[in-house]
Amino acid sequence: QSVLTQPPSASGTPGQRVTISCSGGSSNIGSNTVNWYQQLPGSAPKLLSYNDNQRPSGVPDRFSGSKSGSSASLAISGLQSEDEADYFCAAWDDSLNGYVFGSGTKVTVL
Amino acid sequence: VQLVESGGGLVQPGRSLRLSCAVSGLTFRDYAMHWVRQAPGKGLEWVSGISWIGGSIGYADSVKGRFTISRDNAQKSLYLEMKSLRAEDTALYYCAKGRRDSIYGLDVWGQGTTVSVSS
Repeated sequence: QSVLTQPPSASGTPGQRVTISCSGGSSNIGSNTVNWYQQLPGSAPKLLSYNDNQRPSGVPDRFSGSKSGSSASLAISGLQSEDEADYFCAAWDDSLNGYVFGSGTKVTVL
Repeated sequence: VQLVESGGGLVQPGRSLRLSCAVSGLTFRDYAMHWVRQAPGKGLEWVSGISWIGGSIGYADSVKGRFTISRDNAQKSLYLEMKSLRAEDTALYYCAKGRRDSIYGLDVWGQGTTVSVSS
C-alpha cells in the first residue's frame, strides 16, 4: 500500500479533460516536489511532469501537473486514444527516506 | 541516449544476482542514476539511487541490507548487486536516469531486465 493515493481508474471520451489526483502527506508531497509518469502497455515509464509542474521537452502541453498542499494532480486536456495508459505520481518521502510512487491510475478512453 | 539493462534471470531464493545497465549517448558522470522495479501486474517501486559521483546512495526499506548499488563512470555503467533474494523480489528491473534539475525526475529509462526468484 503506497503512501501516495491515486484513484485506480479514470476515463473520458476523446477531447475531454481528465484529472488524476495524488494524495499524500506532509512528509512527501507536502514538503517535496512531485513527478508524474505515463506507462503505455508493454512499455517503460515516461516522465510527463517534474518539479510539480514542469514539462520535459517533447511532452505535449495537453499534460499539466499541479500541486496544492499535500495533494497533486495531473490534468490531461483534449484526451486522445493514445493517452490510454497507466499514470503514476511520485515524490521523495522524508519519513521513509525514499522515493515513493503512487499506486497508479489506469486511464481509459471511451 | 540509451540505457540497456542486463543480468536478469531465474534464481533460487537466497541466491544472488548482479544487474548491469550500460549507458550511451550522454555524459554519464553528470547524472544521478536509479533502479526501479515492477512486479508482474503491479505498480512501480523505487529500489535504489546513486548520485553522480556515488557519494550519496539510497535504498528502499524492502531491499536495504540486501541490495547494493554502484556505478563505474569510466565504463558508463550502473550496477545492482542483489543478495538473499526472495520471491517478492521477482520483477522487471528498470535502470533510469535522473535529470540535472530534478534528480528524481527520471527522464530516460531502459527497457528492463526480468528477475524471477523461485525454487
